[in-house]
Amino acid sequence: DTAVSQTPKYLVTQMGNDKSIKCEQNLGHDTMYWYKQDSKKFLKIMFSYNNKELIINETVPNRFSPKSPDKAHLNLHINSLELGDSAVYFCASSLGLPSYEQYFGPGTRLTVT
Amino acid sequence: AQSVSQHNHHVILSEAASLELGCNYSYGGTVNLFWYVQYPGQHLQLLLKYFSGDPLVKGIKGFEAEFIKSKFSFNLRKPSVQWSDTAEYFCAVNAPDDYKLSFGAGTTVTVRA
Repeated sequence: DTAVSQTPKYLVTQMGNDKSIKCEQNLGHDTMYWYKQDSKKFLKIMFSYNNKELIINETVPNRFSPKSPDKAHLNLHINSLELGDSAVYFCASSLGLPSYEQYFGPGTRLTVT
Repeated sequence: AQSVSQHNHHVILSEAASLELGCNYSYGGTVNLFWYVQYPGQHLQLLLKYFSGDPLVKGIKGFEAEFIKSKFSFNLRKPSVQWSDTAEYFCAVNAPDDYKLSFGAGTTVTVRA
């Protein structure tokens, strides 16, 4: 069973479109995260939810909006896609304390043309 | 906020050679320290972590890391690498009460058979 899953795995779209990436975890974790990995492999936290409450909201354009319908799901919606949004987006989850390791999903490679 | 510096951008070595990857962080307080690995085309996986206690930490696949508090360092080592260790290695840090995990820029390790 996949612990942290993301859909889709690949997403190719044009500038100006709106798209969503979905994440689900079956580990029973309380906390979920979205990271962006750029072309130089640098990983940066974007958002985090703990028990459906937003706890990390980094400096990210407001075109990005996370939504957590329940503890097991964290989706990322992106409006008006731009070329610079092209990256790999990773979802992760962890137990409810910062000291616990984060389990990462397989990533979604977003290409904006 | 913490920042993490990984000294080596790309390391190339032959099988059976020893590996050491540097990681330094800037934060004056207590920290949690992690090393993650990303094999080609795969998601990030935890290699090892340090919270407290013995500063020499052993992880999976024969890796170990040493926390040297006075040097703000958490270097990763493996005495004898294999071709399958070819991957991207990330050092990460957070404060014990902070969900935000700060990653280094990563080190690409290429092991030649």
